[in-house]
Amino acid sequence: GNSVTQMEGPVTLSEEAFLTINCTYTATGYPSLFWYVQYPGEGLQLLLKATKADDKGSNKGFEATYRKETTSFHLEKGSVQVSDSAVYFCALSRAGGGADGLTFGKGTHLIIQP
Amino acid sequence: DTGVSQNPRHKITKRGQNVTFRCDPISEHNRLYWYRQTLGQGPEFLTYFQNEAQLEKSRLLSDRFSAERPKGSFSTLEIQRTEQGDSAMYLCASSPWGPGITEQFFGPGTRLTVL
Repeated sequence: GNSVTQMEGPVTLSEEAFLTINCTYTATGYPSLFWYVQYPGEGLQLLLKATKADDKGSNKGFEATYRKETTSFHLEKGSVQVSDSAVYFCALSRAGGGADGLTFGKGTHLIIQP
Repeated sequence: DTGVSQNPRHKITKRGQNVTFRCDPISEHNRLYWYRQTLGQGPEFLTYFQNEAQLEKSRLLSDRFSAERPKGSFSTLEIQRTEQGDSAMYLCASSPWGPGITEQFFGPGTRLTVL
């Protein structure tokens, strides 16, 4: 079955540091890939997505590239801010469309210190 | 455009009681999903509806769990004879239908505590 593995947290960085959160997946075919973010006290929000190999999703300075050869979708940001502190979830939907539940990783808690 | 809403936001119940949660999706979204999230884990998919039809329910955790969407708008998730292991956040999400539509929009969740 489908699965998502992401790096364990918490990840603690200083403001303006470079961020990478690793995500790898197991799935048949070509799933769509997502990063969701959960800020303290709020619901899950879609951060970015990619629907086919080599696509790059980007939003709010975050980027992730769909790498079929390494089955990865690592999240990066060049300069993090305190306001980026949140829990980040990597997820996939099954190949062929969105008519099914998403499969999520366990989440990575990111803490940015001023 | 209002987002997905869920009620109640918090529910405390005693073991053995039945509980029901409500989800109102974004208007015109005809797909609706339920997930469970336990502490330190990502959301776990439970079931989904397209309009009023429940197209996937094999992932419901046990026969104590059931969901309905009678008119294709709001949905309810019921847990009968609650157990302490049912304590979790229950999330609802919705999405429109269309080719290439894959992302889901999540509500704030209902936190259930079973004493």
